Amino acid sequence: ILNVEQSPQSLHVQEGDSTNFTCSFPSSNFYALHWYRWETAKSPEALFVMTLNGDEKKKGRISATLNTKEGYSYLYIKGSQPEDSATYLCASMEYGNKLVFGAGTILRVKS
Amino acid sequence: DAGVIQSPRHEVTEMGQEVTLRCKPISGHNSLFWYRQTMMRGLELLIYFNNNVPIDDSGMPEDRFSAKMPNASFSTLKIQPSEPRDSAVYFCASSRSSGRYSYEQYFGPGTRLTVT
Repeated sequence: ILNVEQSPQSLHVQEGDSTNFTCSFPSSNFYALHWYRWETAKSPEALFVMTLNGDEKKKGRISATLNTKEGYSYLYIKGSQPEDSATYLCASMEYGNKLVFGAGTILRVKS
Repeated sequence: DAGVIQSPRHEVTEMGQEVTLRCKPISGHNSLFWYRQTMMRGLELLIYFNNNVPIDDSGMPEDRFSAKMPNASFSTLKIQPSEPRDSAVYFCASSRSSGRYSYEQYFGPGTRLTVT
C-alpha cells in the first residue's frame, strides 16, 4: 500500500506571491505521479502526469518537477491569483492504473 | 463530449435502504474508477475496471458494497443495506488505459449520499 504525503496541509498567500508544495511517495515500484486541482464544489481536474525522473511540466503559471529516485514532486505556482485557490492533490501510481491520493494542500490566495 | 456523467447528484435515504449510484464514462475511455471522499479519509479508491472487468476491489469497504460494469458506457455502485457511515461524496472517474502509459483521470461531478 502506497503512502503519499503532501505538505503543507494548507497555505495562505497574498496575490502575486509565488508558492510551492511538496508531494512525497514511496520510490519503489513507482510508475507515475499525477497532480490534480480541486476547486470547492467541483471535481478534481488533472494538471500533470509525470513518469520519468527529472520530468518537468508546465501549464501557464503552474509547473511541476519529479524526482523518482528520492520519491518527491514539487508543484510551483508563480504569481498566485485568487482563482488559484483550490486543493491540490497528488497521487502516485504503481503499475496497474491504480492511484493512491495524498490528503492534499489547500491553497488560499488573498487579493 | 459531456464528460463523465453521474446520477443522482444528491441522494438522501434512510438506513437499511438500497442505494444505487450510476456512472457513464467518457466515450473511448476503457478504465473506470469509483472513489469515495470523506473528511476522515480523503479521496479513496473503492474499485476500478479495465475494459469492463473489475481489476482491484480491495478498497470496497465490505460486502454491502458492490459494483458492476455491464458495458463500456455504464457502471453502477450499489450499497445494500445502507448505513449512516456510508454518507460521503462518491466520484466516478474514467481514463484511457495502456500498459505503457499513465493517463489522467476525468472525474464526474460526484453523488452526495446522505444516509439518515
